[in-house]
Amino acid sequence: SQTIHQWPATLVQPVGSPLSLECTVEGTSNPNLYWYRQAAGRGLQLLFYSVGIGQISSEVPQNLSASRPQDRQFILSSKKLLLSDSGFYLCAWSVGITDSVGENTEAFFGQGTRLTVV
Amino acid sequence: DQQVKQNSPSLSVQEGRISILNCDYTNSMFDYFLWYKKYPAEGPTFLISISSIKDKNEDGRFTVFLNKSAKHLSLHIVPSQPGDSAVYFCAARFYTGNQFYFGTGTSLTVIP
Repeated sequence: SQTIHQWPATLVQPVGSPLSLECTVEGTSNPNLYWYRQAAGRGLQLLFYSVGIGQISSEVPQNLSASRPQDRQFILSSKKLLLSDSGFYLCAWSVGITDSVGENTEAFFGQGTRLTVV
Repeated sequence: DQQVKQNSPSLSVQEGRISILNCDYTNSMFDYFLWYKKYPAEGPTFLISISSIKDKNEDGRFTVFLNKSAKHLSLHIVPSQPGDSAVYFCAARFYTGNQFYFGTGTSLTVIP
């Protein structure tokens, strides 16, 4: 079965410090990978998604970047954190899309990382 | 541009009664709709989905209804249980797209 691991679960970082959040998926190949953020009292905002190694699409220009060095590894980074980067960060994966109608599937989420920038 | 909207931020229901969570969307080309449940400090978990070619899908206590002409879907939970208290997100996607478009969520409280 497929599993997704995301760490750390909680993180407190000072303003201006770097960030690295890691996500790995097991039990599947060539997944689509996603980073979402949920700010306090807000919905799920898509930050980045990737359909393959080295392929990153950015949805929201900001202080963050993402990388996919391996097929099932997705990393969220920042060189200098801002207070506004605080939030709940979620990694997710889904099966790569085919053109066949009816083969779509849901996205599966990790447990999330609570980031507090102080 | 919010393509999927949940206009009710919160809902309270008595245990045993029906919970109805609503979702509206703007893009008539969406092919697939999903509902997720989220507890605090946890990732969302998938509940139920529906293809755009259907108008109803049922799974146990959960039923999703799709009204394409109104661009509206709803999640019915019957009977509601205290453990159903959580934030519910609806989402939409295209068959050939890679993105999931999420609503802003509705916080459901089931009162014992």
